[in-house]
This record gives sequence, C-alpha cells and structure tokens, in this order.
Amino acid sequence: EPEVTQTPSHQVTQMGQEVILRCVPISNHLYFYWYRQILGQKVEFLVSFYNNEISEKSEIFDDQFSVERPDGSNFTLKIRSTKLEDSAMYFCASSETLHGGYTFGSGTRLTVV
Amino acid sequence: RKEVEQDPGPFNVPEGATVAFNCTYSNSASQSFFWYRQDCRKEPKLLMSVYSSGNEDGRFTAQLNRASQYISLLIRDSKLSDSATYLCVVNLTPGGTSYGKLTFGQGTILTVHP
Repeated sequence: EPEVTQTPSHQVTQMGQEVILRCVPISNHLYFYWYRQILGQKVEFLVSFYNNEISEKSEIFDDQFSVERPDGSNFTLKIRSTKLEDSAMYFCASSETLHGGYTFGSGTRLTVV
Repeated sequence: RKEVEQDPGPFNVPEGATVAFNCTYSNSASQSFFWYRQDCRKEPKLLMSVYSSGNEDGRFTAQLNRASQYISLLIRDSKLSDSATYLCVVNLTPGGTSYGKLTFGQGTILTVHP
C-alpha cells in the first residue's frame, strides 16, 4: 500500500534554531498538507499546497513557517526560528482529490528545548 | 460553538460489546465526512468515509444527518484491537471557504477490555 514518508521521526532543536521537516507524498497525489498535534490536543491544520503554491493556511502558519516542493517528490516544512510552543507532532499528508480522505505520514516529533 | 465536537469519553467496554460515538459539526457548508482512528502517538488513519445514505464496513457503520449536522459511528462485536482514539473529521471543499482542509474533533477514546 502506498504511503507518505516523513523524516526525521524525531528532532530535538534549541529555541531559535531553524528546522526543516521532510515528507515524500504518495507519487500520484496532487494535494499536500501539513498538520500538527500538540501532545494531548487535537490535530490542527497548518497549510495546504497545490500546483506548487499554498492554497490555504491557518493562523498558526505565520511568517516563521514556509513550505516548499523543491524537486517534484519532496515536500518540506521549514520553521525559521523555533519557539518552545512549536513542540508537537507534525504530520504530512497527501490526497489524490479534494473530496476524499487523505493519507498521513507517520509524523515527525519536534521537541524545542 | 466548536467546529467539530465529540464526546471525549473514555469509553471502556468489554470485548463483544457494541459501542456508538457521536459527533456534531457547526459549518453547514461541510461536504465530506470521515472517521479516522489514531493509536497512541501514531498518525491518524482513515477508517471510513461517511455518506448521507449511511455506510457499513464489516463491524463498522457510519451515519450522517445533514439536517442535524450530526455524524455517528457504531462498532459491533468490539475487539481488543479496536482500542484507539476515534476522530470525527470534516472537510470543507471548494465552493465553501476551505480548500480541502480537514477539521478534526478532539477524539473519543475507546478501550476494549477482555
């Protein structure tokens, strides 16, 4: 079964440092997403990406966040200057259409110290 | 009012029991509905889509009532492996205000015991 791959599985970083979270979506999917889940809380939407541009972003996705699809297979989330409150599980997801459910990667646990 | 609201539980049931979860959503423009399950510290996994006519997949039955903005999931003959958090998820598609964004409920915790 096709899957969404995320690396690294766990990243520890110091406050103020930049991090890049990487994802390889399912190859024939057209829509890409990042979500996050703070421990004990619900899954929250960050950003959607289609046709090489952001289609929607949430209030969480401020100027410290950016996404890129650099080479047609990878999809990255960059946090420029991490804060303690950025500590969370970050899930990448992809879908073939806008109407169906989509497939999530296994996540990157980001810990900011 | 929360966008997607679920009873957080926890629900503790014996093996073989039938258990039902409910969910309400606030945006009447919502177009697609799903139940996901999430195991501890894992990613959400799609359990089933939910259609207005109701749909069944083995021991799982999902129902949607658009007039009441209400979604349900019924699990029959519970197994130990059904223990997880069940997430009610709503998708606002183009024509609404969101571009395929999924909105998650808080989740309902289910524990099935021997």
